[in-house]
Amino acid sequence: DQQVKQNSPSLSVQEGRISILNCDYTNSMFDYFLWYKKYPAEGPTFLISISSIKDKNEDGRFTVFLNKSAKHLSLHIVPSQPGDSAVYFCAVRDSGTYKYIFGTGTRLKVLA
Amino acid sequence: DTAVSQTPKYLVTQMGNDKSIKCEQNLGHDTMYWYKQDSKKFLKIMFSYNNKELIINETVPNRFSPKSPDKAHLNLHINSLELGDSAVYFCASSYQGANQPQHFGDGTRLSIL
Repeated sequence: DQQVKQNSPSLSVQEGRISILNCDYTNSMFDYFLWYKKYPAEGPTFLISISSIKDKNEDGRFTVFLNKSAKHLSLHIVPSQPGDSAVYFCAVRDSGTYKYIFGTGTRLKVLA
Repeated sequence: DTAVSQTPKYLVTQMGNDKSIKCEQNLGHDTMYWYKQDSKKFLKIMFSYNNKELIINETVPNRFSPKSPDKAHLNLHINSLELGDSAVYFCASSYQGANQPQHFGDGTRLSIL
């Protein structure tokens, strides 16, 4: 029973446009939310995070939005660049166990 | 370079063998993890150690035994390897409790023949 879902396995976006990646979770005990980027044959690399007391965090081209009432997390990349092509994982932390739970990933392809 | 490093990167072996994967971090983190990424690309926690003590132990066969000689190292030993153990295994580290991310190694691709 997946507690963290990324319903879009893949997404294609034109260079320069906005990429929006989505993540839904089920448990209100999650208190810290993260996005990771993964290239083939490498480990996930941390991208951006947000704590449960905030609803938005921005870092350059990357913005994470948290909607606690909807239990929904999203990552906006603007403008998208070909180098952004990778698999993006959302992850959540359980405040009781400190366990991190990952989504199944969304493969983003930015077309030049 | 500061990082999480795991060895070997690739491991090909026969069913029934015993193998180990090593992980070291020099980030000063107090918590280390092992994850398994299966054929569906799902990253799932297996174990977590905080200051050499086991704090998370998911439903993993007891053929898998983690060992943490110190807080900078977390090794994974697997006995009697089975076909279903084929996966990519990732080591990670972080500070427990703080709102800081986990840092991952590049993975060990284990293939069972």
